[in-house]
Amino acid sequence: DAKTTQPPSMDCAEGRAANLPCNHSTISGNEYVYWYRQIHSQGPQYIIHGLKNNETNEMASLIITEDRKSSTLILPHATLRDTAVYYCIVPGSNDYKLSFGAGTTVTVRA
Amino acid sequence: DGGITQSPKYLFRKEGQNVTLSCEQNLNHDAMYWYRQDPGQGLRLIYYSQIVNDFQKGDIAEGYSVSREKKESFPLTVTSAQKNPTAFYLCASSIWLDNEQFFGPGTRLTVL
Repeated sequence: DAKTTQPPSMDCAEGRAANLPCNHSTISGNEYVYWYRQIHSQGPQYIIHGLKNNETNEMASLIITEDRKSSTLILPHATLRDTAVYYCIVPGSNDYKLSFGAGTTVTVRA
Repeated sequence: DGGITQSPKYLFRKEGQNVTLSCEQNLNHDAMYWYRQDPGQGLRLIYYSQIVNDFQKGDIAEGYSVSREKKESFPLTVTSAQKNPTAFYLCASSIWLDNEQFFGPGTRLTVL
């Protein structure tokens, strides 16, 4: 797996966009970037994934830099329910397993 | 509703006792996984199974055992050989080699 680096924590105001950075400078050309989140005492939840192009779904947007060495997860209008630990994961291209590091603890404040 | 269930939500056991955690899925997924999470830490893979009657050790399999007799079920036994079993246990399932894994709500095991 490519190693990922995320800030340990960040705060966000309710209703504002939350931009979560992730560095993955050793990513290989065919490896995807995955994002999951884990609300306190619950199981992780898949958010989004991408390879090269920017991706958007009903939960978030994923912006991957052209060199693919970093990415940003965007929660467009953060709510209190978005308070969670967010994990950026780059599984190996033939890998079955997800390596969850410490992630970024996001606290959305009213 | 399709999903993955774990029971019980909280489990207390005395030291030295084996305990089995349940995991059931009705998503028709071939692959199932067990993870362990300690406070403030990420998840660590215990065992995984890509097909019925087959399973493989993950990163921290010592002191744990699993079975996969049915596609829908992947129970985890925490044995007395596990030196520090108190943790949050999470089960997941997916299409094999698809990294979109679906997680259950978890079982919090406390060994007294």
